Amino acid sequence: DAKTTQPTSMDCAEGRAANLPCNHSTISGNEYVYWYRQIHSQGPQYIIHGLKNNETNEMASLIITEDRKSSTLILPHATLRDTAVYYCIVRLYNTDKLIFGTGTRLQVFP
Amino acid sequence: GAVVSQHPSRVICKSGTSVKIECRSLDFQATTMFWYRQFPKQSLMLMATSNEGSKATYEQGVEKDKFLINHASLTLSTLTVTSAHPEDSSFYICSASLDNQETQYFGPGTRLLVL
Repeated sequence: DAKTTQPTSMDCAEGRAANLPCNHSTISGNEYVYWYRQIHSQGPQYIIHGLKNNETNEMASLIITEDRKSSTLILPHATLRDTAVYYCIVRLYNTDKLIFGTGTRLQVFP
Repeated sequence: GAVVSQHPSRVICKSGTSVKIECRSLDFQATTMFWYRQFPKQSLMLMATSNEGSKATYEQGVEKDKFLINHASLTLSTLTVTSAHPEDSSFYICSASLDNQETQYFGPGTRLLVL
């Protein structure tokens, strides 16, 4: 089973920041948090991952709480092309498996 | 960035036939490749993990004799759906990573329709 819980859906206005929350209260100390997104009928696209520090790349920022029980993916200026299902995944310790949950369906509107 | 391709992108076959799907890592050598299946409106389900040169490890409930996986080189893994039936119709997606500690990059998926 997935070790994360996410809201089923969210809306965001184009040009605004999209903040996608994820709870992972049972995460272990050496398990990473990964974010992927899947645009309709395509393979998932890697966005970002982190262990305990906040991370930023050209796509997004990842904010992980100090207790590591939750995190937030931030798309700073959402565009219509960011409409997708966003998956927050805890990679199991010492394995290479990614267990996908149900994700958050983000709808960016004009 | 890391690019993974799949071929074909979509395939239609008759019930009882076998279908082979290829997954290639184009700009890196993937020691580990993964195969997922996704039914409509559902999330991705991991089917199996394959390491180059060794037998694949299948998830519980996935029939290894039905879904044959071959990972003969560091850039190619194949999934063969044997004796396909309509219930095997699905979106099959592969991913690849440099090694089992690295980020997985996904292919674009193969849509299989079995008539």
